[in-house]
Amino acid sequence: ETGVTQSPTHLIKTRGQQVTLRCSSQSGHNTVSWYQQALGQGPQFIFQYYREEENGRGNFPPRFSGLQFPNYSSELNVNALELDDSALYLCASSLRTSALAKNIQYFGAGTRLSVL
Amino acid sequence: AQKITQTQPGMFVQEKEAVTLDCTYDTSDPSYGLFWYKQPSSGEMIFLIYQGSYDQQNATEGRYSLNFQKARKSANLVISASQLGDSAMYFCAMREGKTSYDKVIFGPGTSLSVIP
Repeated sequence: ETGVTQSPTHLIKTRGQQVTLRCSSQSGHNTVSWYQQALGQGPQFIFQYYREEENGRGNFPPRFSGLQFPNYSSELNVNALELDDSALYLCASSLRTSALAKNIQYFGAGTRLSVL
Repeated sequence: AQKITQTQPGMFVQEKEAVTLDCTYDTSDPSYGLFWYKQPSSGEMIFLIYQGSYDQQNATEGRYSLNFQKARKSANLVISASQLGDSAMYFCAMREGKTSYDKVIFGPGTSLSVIP
């Protein structure tokens, strides 16, 4: 077990609604990354939070937003849900060091979002 | 342009046999890290092994080893003595050192089935 927990495990929403997904980081980690994994594909990077600020974003629109809290837990918010937002959303925590390439991200089990 | 290529959508291996999962990558950054993750049907991404671009030796972690061929931009995962619990999706991933944040790029994955 990685110590990264995500909630809820499953969620069903309708198009146009808003959703909030939550992630609790592994103890001692200061960085949280969010990924979207569509069925049959590899995860796609959404964004990353470090010291409560977004410090990197993938090719996702602004309706995908997030927060990181002082205890390093995090939320992913998606507004105006679209059918294509149906996916597994994965949260990963890591300890950011000066040697960026060596940081290992540990993942939670994900939240499976279905948009109808 | 796809940065991580995994050419084997599905693989089968007999229990107790060794198996090699292929991965090639594309980057112009001299500093990068390569990862392999396992994703069972439960959804959680499990970190298996890491190889840094400057590491002189191939990485090994228990039954997992990484066959790193830098000139060919290849980072194949070798699983020795396959077990039934090894049946899962396997993702090759890369982080480039030039980015200021820890964005990990994943390949499309290989589905491994271990046959009794």
